[in-house]
Amino acid sequence: GENVEQHPSTLSVQEGDSAVIKCTYSDSASNYFPWYKQELGKRPQLIIDIRSNVGEKKDQRIAVTLNKTAKHFSLHITETQPEDSAVYFCAASTGGGNKLTFGTGTQLKVEL
Amino acid sequence: GAVVSQHPSWVICKSGTSVKIECRSLDFQATTMFWYRQFPKQSLMLMATSNEGSKATYEQGVEKDKFLINHASLTLSTLTVTSAHPEDSSFYICSATGTEYGYTFGSGTRLTVV
Repeated sequence: GENVEQHPSTLSVQEGDSAVIKCTYSDSASNYFPWYKQELGKRPQLIIDIRSNVGEKKDQRIAVTLNKTAKHFSLHITETQPEDSAVYFCAASTGGGNKLTFGTGTQLKVEL
Repeated sequence: GAVVSQHPSWVICKSGTSVKIECRSLDFQATTMFWYRQFPKQSLMLMATSNEGSKATYEQGVEKDKFLINHASLTLSTLTVTSAHPEDSSFYICSATGTEYGYTFGSGTRLTVV
């Protein structure tokens, strides 16, 4: 089955700096890669996603890149703000309503 | 957008009792429901996948007789934790598919077994 690895497990940045979180996946059939932000005790919140027919996608301060050949994808957050502090999860799916496999998570802390 | 209502949001039960968690899709038909468990500071681990009207498919290592899943209609799926023990204490969350929005998560249930 699919295996998704995520690094780093914790990340501290200064406000205004950029943050990068990286994930690798194992199943070459995976074609949908969402990123979620989860606050303590809450449901995961989709912040951006990318499909395998695209190499990069951007939404304001957030961007995701995908390298299908290397089977890795990354989340980039620019101009970080304290409210960006949360746990971020990457995930992968073969699409078509099939199951999501989550990465191990990254605790992002944005310090003033 | 799509909404999945999950109840209860938290529950405390005694060891040996059973607890039922419900997930309802409010404005769409959930063709597939996924049930996840999340321990503190860990990732979401898939427990099982259910499709309306058919038996759930459980992930390796998940006891199907302990975690009963029923997906009786396109808008309701339930997870029953039978004979709960303290080690079952966790955050349980459902996720439904069936819309253009992809995966819609419930709000989660914090289960504490004492």
